[in-house]
Amino acid sequence: AQSVTQLDSHVSVSEGTPVLLRCNYSSSYSPSLFWYVQHPNKGLQLLLKYTSAATLVKGINGFEAEFKKSETSFHLTKPSAHMSDAAEYFCVVSRSPGGYNKLIFGAGTRLAVHP
Amino acid sequence: DAMVIQNPRYQVTQFGKPVTLSCSQTLNHNVMYWYQQKSSQAPKLLFHYYDKDFNNEADTPDNFQSRRPNTSFCFLDIRSPGLGDAAMYLCATSRPNRAGEQYFGPGTRLTVT
Repeated sequence: AQSVTQLDSHVSVSEGTPVLLRCNYSSSYSPSLFWYVQHPNKGLQLLLKYTSAATLVKGINGFEAEFKKSETSFHLTKPSAHMSDAAEYFCVVSRSPGGYNKLIFGAGTRLAVHP
Repeated sequence: DAMVIQNPRYQVTQFGKPVTLSCSQTLNHNVMYWYQQKSSQAPKLLFHYYDKDFNNEADTPDNFQSRRPNTSFCFLDIRSPGLGDAAMYLCATSRPNRAGEQYFGPGTRLTVT
């Protein structure tokens, strides 16, 4: 069975400081991993994806994530937080039975950015 | 711009009064999904369509139904809403075999009075 665990339910940073959102995964085979972002009262938006190519994945808005098989981790980082980064972030693993994509979500991490 | 559109953005219904939420897409994707998201929780998949093939999640209550009359539109019907059905309902689309890349609409927030 596949699952993801987001290690922090809330993260608070100051504007201009680095962001680290932690995610560990469990999968019996090579996983497809994603980070989605959800701003208040909005739908989810794909930030970045890992699908067994490069282990360091760059996404939108300056975010990146590194797949570490030895640590079963897929942490999301950004060098310098912006106020507009305040949102809910979901780490997701995907499995694709029969041609569609079932997303298995972590519980989410709420990122607050302070001036 | 290609997108996923949900109407209405906010819906208020009465306890037990049927309600329909709609979703349309201009992406021409084969697969459409409906999720329920309660406050401070991750989205929960209710069901999906692969073209006209309907796939229900095992734990989706019978109170929730869906229709997909064509590629572009998909509807979520709640036959007898209860107070516990108040949530954000998200529609999403994807291409087949594109692992995990789903495109979400902005959601419809349902209030049950």
